[in-house]
Amino acid sequence: QKEVEQNSGPLSVPEGAIASLNCTYSDRGSQSFFWYRQYSGKSPELIMSIYSNGDKEDGRFTAQLNKASQYVSLLIRDSQPSDSATYLCAASDSWGKLQFGAGTQVVVTP
Amino acid sequence: DAGITQSPRYKITETGRQVTLMCHQTWSHSYMFWYRQDLGHGLRLIYYSAAADITDKGEVSDGYVVSRSKTENFPLTLESATRSQTSVYFCASSTGRSRKGSPLHFGNGTRLTVT
Repeated sequence: QKEVEQNSGPLSVPEGAIASLNCTYSDRGSQSFFWYRQYSGKSPELIMSIYSNGDKEDGRFTAQLNKASQYVSLLIRDSQPSDSATYLCAASDSWGKLQFGAGTQVVVTP
Repeated sequence: DAGITQSPRYKITETGRQVTLMCHQTWSHSYMFWYRQDLGHGLRLIYYSAAADITDKGEVSDGYVVSRSKTENFPLTLESATRSQTSVYFCASSTGRSRKGSPLHFGNGTRLTVT
């Protein structure tokens, strides 16, 4: 069974601090990785895509990929109350279909 | 730009009834997907389609049927609803241009309750 694992949280982060979210995946054939943000009662929205080893930055978000360790992470800098949400990690399988983790709940406290 | 639209947003049905959830996208994306989301399980793939008239099962397809006669529509039917199918259902689409995996764009979801 191919799996994507995330800590469920909640991850409590003071406002202005860095939130660090981790994700591991089991399918070594995965080549594409995505982070989605999901507010309560809403649909997932894409915030980051990463395809190569290393870091990718977009505004306050940085995604990190290490294929050798089968590990993906997301850093949220200068966390804001609006960042409070569940963050879903997804990895493509060998056919390009996405496998999702169960999500990490982030709570940013003022 | 309507994007991807699901209907209904909320549905209550009884055990044993047939229910169809609708999904319509205006992007002309080749790929469409149905996921269900349950607490503790995240998003699980029910069915997907690479193009009109091409569909395939996901990891939790039992009890569900799909069709895709037109590129823009991808309805999901629960043949005989069971309480275990109470869930939030998300339709998604992608260009599928990358064989490595393309990002999905999600509809607003349908919250289905089976009593």
